[in-house]
Amino acid sequence: SYELTQPPSVSVSPGQTASITCSGDKLGGKSAYWYQQRAGQSPVLAIYQDNKRPSGIPERFSGSNSGNTATLTISGTQAMDEADYYCQAWDNSLVVFGGGTKLTVL
Amino acid sequence: QVQLQESGPGLVKPAETLSLTCTVSGVSISSYYWSWIRQPPGKGLEWVGYSYYRGSTNYNPSLQSRVAISIDTSKNQYSLKLTSVIAADTAIYYCARVYGGISGRIDSWGQGTLVTVSS
Repeated sequence: SYELTQPPSVSVSPGQTASITCSGDKLGGKSAYWYQQRAGQSPVLAIYQDNKRPSGIPERFSGSNSGNTATLTISGTQAMDEADYYCQAWDNSLVVFGGGTKLTVL
Repeated sequence: QVQLQESGPGLVKPAETLSLTCTVSGVSISSYYWSWIRQPPGKGLEWVGYSYYRGSTNYNPSLQSRVAISIDTSKNQYSLKLTSVIAADTAIYYCARVYGGISGRIDSWGQGTLVTVSS
């Protein structure tokens, strides 16, 4: 079965750039999706089709996907960005989630 | 704007069947794929399955033998049934919309409902 691997945790200082990676076999040939889940809340779509932002998602959120790795980048990270982030892809019509990355804004 | 609301028992006994319903408002349930996703306490997201009103369904292979998702277009609702539950099925269960068909984005989520499996 297809697997997506994320680092368990990433730390960033306020105002700096945070990068969260998601690795999977030939992931660059698929679309990558990213979800933000703040503590006690439902997940929210943050990036779709590798690099598109839904309405309401700040411009500081961006994404890329190439080779075996998709990356979520948060520029000028704010305290409100502290959350769990999950990548997701489709494989043979099945939904696959990464294990999640806890972003801490120190 | 689409809204989703899960409902169902919060406690299910081991070996029994977990049954949840998701009520969709703001859009016709016939226009999209609809999914269930769960999250054990303190853990990550796990996809359970999805369904389309014409009967097309797909399930997580690890749950396939125990899970069924069905759609009731007359009520704009869809349901999840998970049989022979065990403690490891304890989780927050989210219903969610898949926008753009298979391979699309999961763009709307319910608030989630905690289901505990315990005697």
